[in-house]
Amino acid sequence: AQTVTQSQPEMSVQEAETVTLSCTYDTSESNYYLFWYKQPPSRQMILVIRQEAYKQQNATENRFSVNFQKAAKSFSLKISDSQLGDTAMYFCAFMKQMGGGSNYKLTFGKGTLLTVNP
Amino acid sequence: GAGVSQSPRYKVAKRGQDVALRCDPISGHVSLFWYQQALGQGPEFLTYFQNEAQLDKSGLPSDRFFAERPEGSVSTLKIQRTQQEDSAVYLCASSLAGVVYEQYFGPGTRLTVT
Repeated sequence: AQTVTQSQPEMSVQEAETVTLSCTYDTSESNYYLFWYKQPPSRQMILVIRQEAYKQQNATENRFSVNFQKAAKSFSLKISDSQLGDTAMYFCAFMKQMGGGSNYKLTFGKGTLLTVNP
Repeated sequence: GAGVSQSPRYKVAKRGQDVALRCDPISGHVSLFWYQQALGQGPEFLTYFQNEAQLDKSGLPSDRFFAERPEGSVSTLKIQRTQQEDSAVYLCASSLAGVVYEQYFGPGTRLTVT
């Protein structure tokens, strides 16, 4: 079974600064996906960024980037130029990469509550 | 286009009552997932459908939980004889068959059992 660990229950950052959220995972699989999801207060979960394990290059989406260290099973999220709208719960998640008909369920960490202060 | 919708958004049930939670996935999405999110926790997998077939129900916590998707579109999660520990947000997600790594989530149903 896969496990995802987020060791920072809460973090805060000043507007316009950079913050890094940590995530580690445990798996025996070699092919998988890793994700960061954002869940704003009372709003639905949205995908921030995705990384395929076979890709060595770290994924980037505008102000969001990841540091994927496959050997260390580490997957951190860096948010640059933080904005007030980035305030949310952030979840790290894992998905096995499998063939058709298989269950592509997500395994989530417990989340990190990020507060961006003005 | 319309996203994943869920109804009701909030449900209060007395312990022992039965509840039914509805999920309308994005049109054309073959895969549908149910997750349970307890307060302050990450979502946990409950069950998975591909079209009308329930391929995995390993996450359902007890036989009081039952899910169906009879026509391969709308899905219903039913909880019989609700208990206080069932209080949680129930999230539905859907994805296209060939893009399974992109799951789109609904707003969730917050169930409170009193």
